[in-house]
Amino acid sequence: NAGVTQTPKFQVLKTGQSMTLQCAQDMNHNSMYWYRQDPGMGLRLIYYSASEGTTDKGEVPNGYNVSRLNKREFSLRLESAAPSQTSVYFCASSEGGHGGSKYEQYFGPGTRLTVT
Amino acid sequence: LAKTTQPISMDSYEGQEVNITCSHNNIATNDYITWYQQFPSQGPRFIIQGYKTKVTNEVASLFIPADRKSSTLSLPRVSLSDTAVYYCLVGAYNNDMRFGAGTRLTVKP
Repeated sequence: NAGVTQTPKFQVLKTGQSMTLQCAQDMNHNSMYWYRQDPGMGLRLIYYSASEGTTDKGEVPNGYNVSRLNKREFSLRLESAAPSQTSVYFCASSEGGHGGSKYEQYFGPGTRLTVT
Repeated sequence: LAKTTQPISMDSYEGQEVNITCSHNNIATNDYITWYQQFPSQGPRFIIQGYKTKVTNEVASLFIPADRKSSTLSLPRVSLSDTAVYYCLVGAYNNDMRFGAGTRLTVKP
């Protein structure tokens, strides 16, 4: 049981380049989330998916797009990377979280992204 | 969204009990209180969640007074490995909970 996995672990992009961060969970969870964490700060929610087939904006969605490919996978895309998107990106999943009782989120190891 | 306030940092010594208090004056009726722990270079890890009174699990206790405007995370007999950042979150759903800056706990030998 791997839990939540993220690829890649590290990435360096030039301004204007695009990339997709991949996330997968093997816990049969309904809800999945993408967060970013800037140095010395807490996590901020970018997008979430309450269930397969649905996605919604979080606190800081600008500059990002997401795809809930199936129940297991939730990807985050940066279409045109900017230095302000330099951050650590965490994916998480939970059994419920949208009106359910199982709120506990399980987090992946993170992707450290640098945009130059 | 309920705003939370917690101390920026705390120091303790091995073997002591640590209490971290979180203030959430505008908590809503449907909101739960959830605490996460984060070690450097790792994602946060769920510690405990509660709605009212007291909740205890194998790693911590959560005390919530009747008015629910604050909560206290209690870590019994901390060790060096408990050095981490602790986040208090308040909300009815995961997507409306906010991670603040957290409390940086340093446990000294």
